[in-house]
Amino acid sequence: NAGVTQTPKFQVLKTGQSMTLQCAQDMNHEYMSWYRQDPGMGLRLIHYSVGAGITDQGEVPNGYNVSRSTTEDFPLRLLSAAPSQTSVYFCASSRFGQMSYEQYFGPGTRLTVT
Amino acid sequence: KQEVTQIPAALSVPEGENLVLNCSFTDSAIYNLQWFRQDPGKGLTSLLLIQSSQREQTSGRLNASLDKSSGRSTLYIAASQPGDSATYLCAVRVPGASQGGSEKLVFGKGTKLTVNP
Repeated sequence: NAGVTQTPKFQVLKTGQSMTLQCAQDMNHEYMSWYRQDPGMGLRLIHYSVGAGITDQGEVPNGYNVSRSTTEDFPLRLLSAAPSQTSVYFCASSRFGQMSYEQYFGPGTRLTVT
Repeated sequence: KQEVTQIPAALSVPEGENLVLNCSFTDSAIYNLQWFRQDPGKGLTSLLLIQSSQREQTSGRLNASLDKSSGRSTLYIAASQPGDSATYLCAVRVPGASQGGSEKLVFGKGTKLTVNP
């Protein structure tokens, strides 16, 4: 049971390049989400999904796309990287429903856009 | 809009001291409150989860309390050790903003704890 895994751990992009941050979980969790963490701003929700085929926007979705074709995977795509997207990105997962469940976080991807 | 505040932003204590970290939130409509630990350059490790109907949770030297009506939670660390040095984050799980919208976590900015040997 690996929990939540993220790849890559580090990435440097040039402005305008695109890339996909990978996230996978092996706990059969319905709910998955992406956060970014910036100094002085805390963690902010980018996008989330409550199941395969269902995604929605969080607080800071601009410049990012997501899709959820399987329960296990929830990739985050940067369409045209900008320096403002330099951040640490965390993927999280949990069960979802009427009860309230604990969220589990991946180790993060540190992205630098030059 | 839910806001979560953690005070103090940084705390330095000698080893062996008992300490309390504070978390406050503005809207009592929460599903749960979760305390996390984050080491430098690392991800978030869940420490304790308190459901909205609960008053406290304990794990080893950690005890977290929740007073939903006043919008406050505390994390008590007994007999602190240098290995406890990290940033501690609290987060509340809240309903979605619109009908059919999904619940999410709202985070505080954390308290950076340093325990000196």
